[in-house]
Amino acid sequence: DAKTTQPPSMDCAEGRAANLPCNHSTISGNEYVYWYRQIHSQGPQYIIHGLKNNETNEMASLIITEDRKSSTLILPHATLRDTAVYYCIVPNAGGTSYGKLTFGQGTILTVHP
Amino acid sequence: EAGVVQSPRYKIIEKKQPVAFWCNPISGHNTLYWYLQNLGQGPELLIRYENEEAVDDSQLPKDRFSAERLKGVDSTLKIQPAELGDSAVYLCASSLDNGREQYFGPGTRLTVT
Repeated sequence: DAKTTQPPSMDCAEGRAANLPCNHSTISGNEYVYWYRQIHSQGPQYIIHGLKNNETNEMASLIITEDRKSSTLILPHATLRDTAVYYCIVPNAGGTSYGKLTFGQGTILTVHP
Repeated sequence: EAGVVQSPRYKIIEKKQPVAFWCNPISGHNTLYWYLQNLGQGPELLIRYENEEAVDDSQLPKDRFSAERLKGVDSTLKIQPAELGDSAVYLCASSLDNGREQYFGPGTRLTVT
């Protein structure tokens, strides 16, 4: 998997946008960027993924830079329930490792009242 | 729609004892994964099944760990004998056709004393 780098922790005020960065400078042209989160005592939860275009769903937006070396996950109006560990993952595009998710340590996002 | 079901949620055993974890994936998901998560770390893949076949078990410590997925639905992960270092959360996930959108269960927290 392409190596990803995330800040270990971030804070955000409730109701404000949370912008979580991820560096993936060794990403290949056909590799996607995936984001998962893990709320305390729960299993990881898929959030969003993208290749080169910006993506948005009911949970979040994903902004990928033009050179694809970094991305930002945006939670537009963070709530206390968004407090979690956020993982940025770039899985291998093919071969025997296709589909394998390699989780790093992620970013601990704490949303404050 | 029911999510991934795991049982038990918690298990405390003495070292050298056997232990088994059970997982029922989302209906129709042919790919099933077992992950290990140590405290403060991201999940690590132990084994991946496509239907009944274990297609990636390279990270499974085969001297003490075993897994099966009979009939390509439910799966069981076993440890025999358990060691103190096996204390961790064991997560089960499922997906369609080895997709990167994986759905995780709540995990089983194992404590070996």
